[in-house]
Amino acid sequence: RKEVEQDPGPFNVPEGATVAFNCTYSNSASQSFFWYRQDCRKEPKLLMSVYSSGNEDGRFTAQLNRASQYISLLIRDSKLSDSATYLCVVTPYTGGFKTIFGAGTRLFVKA
Amino acid sequence: DAGVIQSPRHEVTEMGQEVTLRCKPISGHNSLFWYRQTMMRGLELLIYFNNNVPIDDSGMPEDRFSAKMPNASFSTLKIQPSEPRDSAVYFCASSGQGDQPQHFGDGTRLSIL
Repeated sequence: RKEVEQDPGPFNVPEGATVAFNCTYSNSASQSFFWYRQDCRKEPKLLMSVYSSGNEDGRFTAQLNRASQYISLLIRDSKLSDSATYLCVVTPYTGGFKTIFGAGTRLFVKA
Repeated sequence: DAGVIQSPRHEVTEMGQEVTLRCKPISGHNSLFWYRQTMMRGLELLIYFNNNVPIDDSGMPEDRFSAKMPNASFSTLKIQPSEPRDSAVYFCASSGQGDQPQHFGDGTRLSIL
């Protein structure tokens, strides 16, 4: 089992749709969680951190479920500009600072 | 604020040549990471440093790859000799203390002919 798993997609949605991605992680001791966004031929960029109580940033909502060991990202009112690959990131905190990136979920938002 | 700075942005060279990639982390960050990204294998962590000390190099593919961090503001990733299968985008990232997120440079697009 991979340490961090994501549905690769692609997710094809119309503008204005709500779309959700899930990401599961295997290390129950994991401490830090993030969502990154990567555009084609660009570097990954931090989208948002994921807090235990859940957090929202505009149209984006992130949730953490420690019992089931997954995090989620919800995008409301999708825009064309949301088309990208979304990477789930987990820090196992096993004594070092190693961060595990998921393989990413491709999102295409169509007009 | 200056982000992570990588050079060169693009590198095209013939197999067998030595390749050196450079990275300047964000000032004040104490962790530095080198990644490789390809379509087939996705984003792979090669090595990471904390306070200039290599912590985990288990992702370095083979002895042809080496990385150094002589001071807090500079790191290099060297491939010698290079091979066509090394062609990829190489990213450097840095982060601050504890559970701070990583910030990536623009990457170096490496093509080995």
